[in-house]
Amino acid sequence: GAGVSQSPSNKVTEKGKDVELRCDPISGHTALYWYRQRLGQGLEFLIYFQGNSAPDKSGLPSDRFSAERTGESVSTLTIQRTQQEDSAVYLCASSYGGAKNQPQHFGDGTRLSIL
Amino acid sequence: GNSVTQMEGPVTLSEEAFLTINCTYTATGYPSLFWYVQYPGEGLQLLLKATKADDKGSNKGFEATYRKETTSFHLEKGSVQVSDSAVYFCALHPNTGNQFYFGTGTSLTVIP
Repeated sequence: GAGVSQSPSNKVTEKGKDVELRCDPISGHTALYWYRQRLGQGLEFLIYFQGNSAPDKSGLPSDRFSAERTGESVSTLTIQRTQQEDSAVYLCASSYGGAKNQPQHFGDGTRLSIL
Repeated sequence: GNSVTQMEGPVTLSEEAFLTINCTYTATGYPSLFWYVQYPGEGLQLLLKATKADDKGSNKGFEATYRKETTSFHLEKGSVQVSDSAVYFCALHPNTGNQFYFGTGTSLTVIP
């Protein structure tokens, strides 16, 4: 079956613009996660969805970042008034139920470059 | 709090050498532990996991044993191949809460 799909795969935009990143999880996966991976660094947790609710938004770095999920499926991560430090690969992952023994399935990421 | 500490890279080995990538963790209770691998140009994918103490996860010749006494989950392979060149991430999912915690990744290059 299809894996986690993210779009666009690459995005280049000017500082100050808004960007929207999309994630299509694996069908039936109720848990969805967003991460940020800066060059040469590990994964930084941003937000977690269980169904359409986001019980854990603790990783969002500022109020310029927001995310939503609809239909227990597609999620969008929006970054407003982008800054150069937002340049990174944004990864989405989904898992079945979000339980601790359920591994995450990752998309290929969106590489965001802010000029 | 919860955290994962991984051996810093990069690691360069000759083909057929023995590999160890160290991973230690901090967590309350009994978290689940994972190793993920990211091959060049690809997304992260699960390599192996262990969900309770003394469990051994294994896949593609890689192994890691969940050691509660040393809070470790070191990744090992007896004979690496060029195709094992990738970045390896150790991760944990604690007993409570929703977050996964990842290490910073260890880059492995295997030379012929």
